[in-house]
Amino acid sequence: SYELTQPPSVSVSPGQTARITCSGHALPKQYAFWFQQRPGQAPVLVIYKDTERPSGIPERFSGSSSGTTVTLTISGVQAEDEADYYCQSGDSTGAYRVFGGGTHLTVL
Amino acid sequence: QVQLVQSGAEVKKPGASVKVSCKASGYTFTNHYMHWVRQAPGQGLEWMGIVNPSGGTTYAQKFQGRITMTTDTSTSTFYMELSSLRSEDTAVYYCARDASGVDFDYWGQGSLVTVSP
Repeated sequence: SYELTQPPSVSVSPGQTARITCSGHALPKQYAFWFQQRPGQAPVLVIYKDTERPSGIPERFSGSSSGTTVTLTISGVQAEDEADYYCQSGDSTGAYRVFGGGTHLTVL
Repeated sequence: QVQLVQSGAEVKKPGASVKVSCKASGYTFTNHYMHWVRQAPGQGLEWMGIVNPSGGTTYAQKFQGRITMTTDTSTSTFYMELSSLRSEDTAVYYCARDASGVDFDYWGQGSLVTVSP
């Protein structure tokens, strides 16, 4: 079955830039989405269609895509950004969705 | 505003079935499909399937044969039933709205299902 691969953890100091990658062979054909999940809460959409930011999401969150890898970038990381981040996309048919394994962002 | 309100926590024995509900409000029910996603304790998100308001479904292969997603347009409610429960099915189950190209734009609060003898 199709898989999306994320690093298990990323650590940055406040004010630095965090980059979280997600790799999958169908990513050139399927949009990617990113979700933030804080402990005990439902996930929240932070990036859709690779690069778009929903209203209400801070400008420091951005997304990019290159070939089989998409990247979530958080510029000027704040303590409140410490959370789990999941990428999500579809398989090559688009009928089946899949989530990456998740990346825990630690703000040092 | 869009709201997805899910049913409460359940405790089930192995082999039993569970049915989780997701009541939608704040938008036109028939305009949006609904996904179901689960998260086992300390684990990541797992997509289970999608249902359209008229009842058409696509299920993840892992759950084929023991999952049923249904809708009730009269009450704007979606349902997900999982049968032959085992301990590995202990998880928080979420419904999440599909917005025609934007998967999972709104999420329910989650429903904890515990499978225990």
